[in-house]
Amino acid sequence: QKEVEQNSGPLSVPEGAIASLNCTYSDRGSQSFFWYRQYSGKSPELIMFIYSNGDKEDGRFTAQLNKASQYVSLLIRDSQPSDSATYLCAVRNSGAGSYQLTFGKGTKLSVIP
Amino acid sequence: EAGVTQFPSHSVIEKGQTVTLRCDPISGHDNLYWYRRVMGKEIKFLLHFVKESKQDESGMPNNRFLAERTGGTYSTLKVQPAELEDSGVYFCASSQGDGPETQYFGPGTRLLVL
Repeated sequence: QKEVEQNSGPLSVPEGAIASLNCTYSDRGSQSFFWYRQYSGKSPELIMFIYSNGDKEDGRFTAQLNKASQYVSLLIRDSQPSDSATYLCAVRNSGAGSYQLTFGKGTKLSVIP
Repeated sequence: EAGVTQFPSHSVIEKGQTVTLRCDPISGHDNLYWYRRVMGKEIKFLLHFVKESKQDESGMPNNRFLAERTGGTYSTLKVQPAELEDSGVYFCASSQGDGPETQYFGPGTRLLVL
């Protein structure tokens, strides 16, 4: 069974701090990794994707991937109250022609003003 | 550009009844996916269409669930007969052709089976 694990939180950080969200996955052959943000009652919204080992930066967000450790993380710099949401880690399965995403349960982030 | 839309937004039905959920993907997206999130669990994959063909239906829980995508545009997901454990949020997502690309999610349909 392919799994994606995340700490459920809640993770509370003060406004302006760095929020660090972590995710591990079991399918060693996975190639694509996604971070989605979901506000309560809303649809998951893509924040970032990463395919290669290392860091990928987009504005205040940095995704980090370590395939050897089967670990992917999301850093949010200068956290804002509007960043308060549930962050979902998703992994695309490695099977040929398989586009399905396996999700973690999500980490709830709370940014305190 | 319109995003993925789903209808209805909420549905409350009794056990044994039939419910049909609809998804309209982003225009031009060949790939359409159905996912489900039951209470307290993670979002789980149900199936994947490429145009009108079922590419992967490995996540469909049982034969009470029937998905169609006639004409390769919108898709329907029918649950017949509905059971209590079918309650949850049903998400639809779409992506462009040529590879998996980014999946864009709709707002979901919240289904409650009583």
